[in-house]
Amino acid sequence: DIQMTQSPSSLSASVGDRVTITCRASQSINNYLNWYQQKPGKAPKVLIYGASTLQSGVPSRFRGSGSGTEFTLTITSLQPEDLATYYCQQSKSSPIFTFGPGTKVEIK
Amino acid sequence: QVQLVESGGGVVQPGGSLRLSCTVSGLTFSTYDMHWVRQAPGKGLEWVTFISYEGSQKYYADSVKGRFTVSRDSSKNTLYLHMNSLRTEDTAVYFCATADIVVAPAAAEFFLHWGQGTLVTVSS
Repeated sequence: DIQMTQSPSSLSASVGDRVTITCRASQSINNYLNWYQQKPGKAPKVLIYGASTLQSGVPSRFRGSGSGTEFTLTITSLQPEDLATYYCQQSKSSPIFTFGPGTKVEIK
Repeated sequence: QVQLVESGGGVVQPGGSLRLSCTVSGLTFSTYDMHWVRQAPGKGLEWVTFISYEGSQKYYADSVKGRFTVSRDSSKNTLYLHMNSLRTEDTAVYFCATADIVVAPAAAEFFLHWGQGTLVTVSS
């Protein structure tokens, strides 16, 4: 089974800051990595798929990178509406998927 | 627009059963693979089960294997999750989601459309 880890588990940053979240897979998943944003009380929303492709309608301040076992989600300029928990998800073992444990982003 | 609406959640005793439904509109349900994902209170997302577009392939997380069964009825545009032998650790919000596949710029598969979730509480 492919296990996913994320770091940090939570962070607090100011509006305008650059924020970086790391996701690691227990084995190579090529670029089969997606990122989701979940706001409190809402369903998750896909931000990035295929490690680096921005989903239509998602602001360009969200960027994904990486391949193999290490991936990064960067918010280039944090906005108040980015308050959320962010999850990575591997699709290498589709149709069995695995989510990371999540990173909670708070605004200072 | 695309809508997924879950229903059937509620409070059930340990060892009990429940059937969740997910009614889909705004897309051709019969052509979409579907998933259930759950989220325990204050916890992260856990993939639960997959069913292929025509219903012939099904996969389950180890945590629910042998207790949960996924099915679908394309005539009703509805996905189901039959949950038996429920445990307190099954308490969660259950989401249904579509499996979306793209081939460019690179092959990828992800969950584009989600329902709002339905809460299942297993408690005596």
